[in-house]
Amino acid sequence: GAVVSQHPSRVICKSGTSVKIECRSLDFQATTMFWYRQFPKQSLMLMATSNEGSKATYEQGVEKDKFLINHASLTLSTLTVTSAHPEDSSFYICSAPGGLADTQYFGPGTRLTVL
Amino acid sequence: AQSVTQLGSHVSVSEGALVLLRCNYSSSVPPYLFWYVQYPNQGLQLLLKYTSAATLVKGINGFEAEFKKSETSFHLTKPSAHMSDAAEYFCAVISSGNTPLVFGKGTRLSVIA
Repeated sequence: GAVVSQHPSRVICKSGTSVKIECRSLDFQATTMFWYRQFPKQSLMLMATSNEGSKATYEQGVEKDKFLINHASLTLSTLTVTSAHPEDSSFYICSAPGGLADTQYFGPGTRLTVL
Repeated sequence: AQSVTQLGSHVSVSEGALVLLRCNYSSSVPPYLFWYVQYPNQGLQLLLKYTSAATLVKGINGFEAEFKKSETSFHLTKPSAHMSDAAEYFCAVISSGNTPLVFGKGTRLSVIA
C-alpha cells in the first residue's frame, strides 16, 4: 500500500532554533497534505493544509509565521517550526489523501522536544 | 461541520473480557468513519473503516465496529481483550477525499491481567 514517510522521527533542539520536518509520499502523488499536532495525552489537532503550488491554509489559532509550510513538489511537504520554544514540543504527524474518500495515509510522526 | 464524540476517556477491562469503545458522530452528509489505534510513542495504525459497503466492519486484531445510522454511532468492539490491546484508540470522520480527518478525543484502553 501507499506509504508516507516523515523525517526526522525524533528531534531535540534548543529554544530559539528552527526545525524542519519533512513529509513525503513515497509511491503516489499528493497535491494536498495535512499537518496535525498531538500534545501528550491528547488527540490529533489539525494545524494546516498544505497545497502543492499554493499557500497553505492554517487552522484558527495556528501562527502561520511560526509554522511555515512549503509544498514544493507533488511528493514533499515540509513544516518548519521557527524560533521553537518548549511549548512547541509535541508529536507532529502528516497525512495525505489517497485519492478516495475513505483513504488517508499517515506518516509515522515526528517527536519534537524543545529544551 | 463534522465531529465525533468518544464517550469515556479511559476504559479498563479484564483480560478476556469484552471491549466496547464508544463513538458517536455528527455529519450532514454520509460519513466515512475510522478507528485508529496508537501505542505509546508511536504513530497511528488503522484498525478499520466504514465506507458504506457494509454496516458491520471487521478490522485487524479481532476488532469490529457497527455503523448505526439511527443512533449515529460507530462503536468498536472486541470479544476478548488481550494485554497487547492496551493503547489509545481514536475514532475519526471524514466527508470527502481531500479533506482532513476529524478525530475524537481518544479513549485509553487498559487491560488488567
